[in-house]
Amino acid sequence: GQQVMQIPQYQHVQEGEDFTTYCNSSTTLSNIQWYKQRPGGHPVFLIQLVKSGEVKKQKRLTFQFGEAKKNSSLHITATQTTDVGTYFCAGPGRRSGGGADGLTFGKGTHLIIQP
Amino acid sequence: DTGVSQNPRHKITKRGQNVTFRCDPISEHNRLYWYRQTLGQGPEFLTYFQNEAQLEKSRLLSDRFSAERPKGSFSTLEIQRTEQGDSAMYLCASSLVWTGGYYEQYFGPGTRLTVT
Repeated sequence: GQQVMQIPQYQHVQEGEDFTTYCNSSTTLSNIQWYKQRPGGHPVFLIQLVKSGEVKKQKRLTFQFGEAKKNSSLHITATQTTDVGTYFCAGPGRRSGGGADGLTFGKGTHLIIQP
Repeated sequence: DTGVSQNPRHKITKRGQNVTFRCDPISEHNRLYWYRQTLGQGPEFLTYFQNEAQLEKSRLLSDRFSAERPKGSFSTLEIQRTEQGDSAMYLCASSLVWTGGYYEQYFGPGTRLTVT
């Protein structure tokens, strides 16, 4: 079945440093979504990428979707303590098309920020 | 609060007992999903509904698990004869679906199940 892998599993950074997490799928994805989960919280949607090579920015966050639509990355510039949490990428399940399936999540990257 | 709600938030049960969880999605959402999350892992897909129809089940959903969405609004997830391996956070999510598009899922706070 489809697998979604994320690295690194944990990332410790000093506040103000940059952070990047990488996501790789075993299959081509119709789209990829990114979620953030704060400690003790539930996943919260950040963004969705659909097009090959797509790049989207949200303030200090930059998301990329690979040309082959099998990998993605999230880069945070100048991390702040509010960025603490686990960042998950997720792709639709076996069925192709309109993103209507249950998502397959990676294991996430835990971002720990030292002030 | 018009977000996704789940009840109860915590459930402690003894092995072999049955438990039922409830999820109330965002009112205008026609898709409802159930996921399971264990410590240090990402959510694992269990099943989803479009309106009242259950369209997909994961292989993780053994015969002891059953989910319903009788009127296309709230949903219940029942686990029969619970086992210690069922201990996890059970997350519900809802979304809209529209032809030709993709959409995000809105997650509820989850029900944390502990089987002793």
